[in-house]
Amino acid sequence: DGGITQSPKYLFRKEGQNVTLSCEQNLNHDAMYWYRQDPGQGLRLIYYSQIVNDFQKGDIAEGYSVSREKKESFPLTVTSAQKNPTAFYLCASSRGQGGTGELFFGEGSRLTVL
Amino acid sequence: AQSVTQPDIHITVSEGASLELRCNYSYGATPYLFWYVQSPGQGLQLLLKYFSGDTLVQGIKGFEAEFKRSQSSFNLRKPSVHWSDAAEYFCAVVGSGTYKYIFGTGTRLKVLA
Repeated sequence: DGGITQSPKYLFRKEGQNVTLSCEQNLNHDAMYWYRQDPGQGLRLIYYSQIVNDFQKGDIAEGYSVSREKKESFPLTVTSAQKNPTAFYLCASSRGQGGTGELFFGEGSRLTVL
Repeated sequence: AQSVTQPDIHITVSEGASLELRCNYSYGATPYLFWYVQSPGQGLQLLLKYFSGDTLVQGIKGFEAEFKRSQSSFNLRKPSVHWSDAAEYFCAVVGSGTYKYIFGTGTRLKVLA
């Protein structure tokens, strides 16, 4: 079955460490996204990528980095510069041009900073 | 500014009762509209979407939503709620040709047996 796979599901990090969250899709979608979810704040866009080797900052990109070397993969690195990284992170994808389809979501990764 | 408002943070209904979750949006043009559902610790699942045409759209799990342009609303309804509907519900919009989907802050639904 096609879908989006995020790993790990749970991740613990010490302050000052970088961590990378994996996101892989086999839906053949061009666009991929990373969202951060905090209680009571809905979903906030971190980065998105319309096509391989291209990505744009979302609303809260500071302290995060991404790469898009393959169509299927869009990893997110949470750097030590992110002041408050404890959150639930969701990866999504969509087909076609922007705004023409719904988002398909992975199961999420919960990051906790100790 | 573009925004989505879900005025109800929490809603509690009895099993078998009807449900309406409110969603209002502010957008320059008519956006595409979505409702998603999220169970605790899980990703979001699409319930339904509106792109154009008939303003009453049917979705999965017996949900429907009505787009009202004059009120900038896209409220979600279900005639009879089941205990398994307890979850968090998100309304979202996106403009044609853009990649910035805007989400509301969600409504958490509790269902009483």
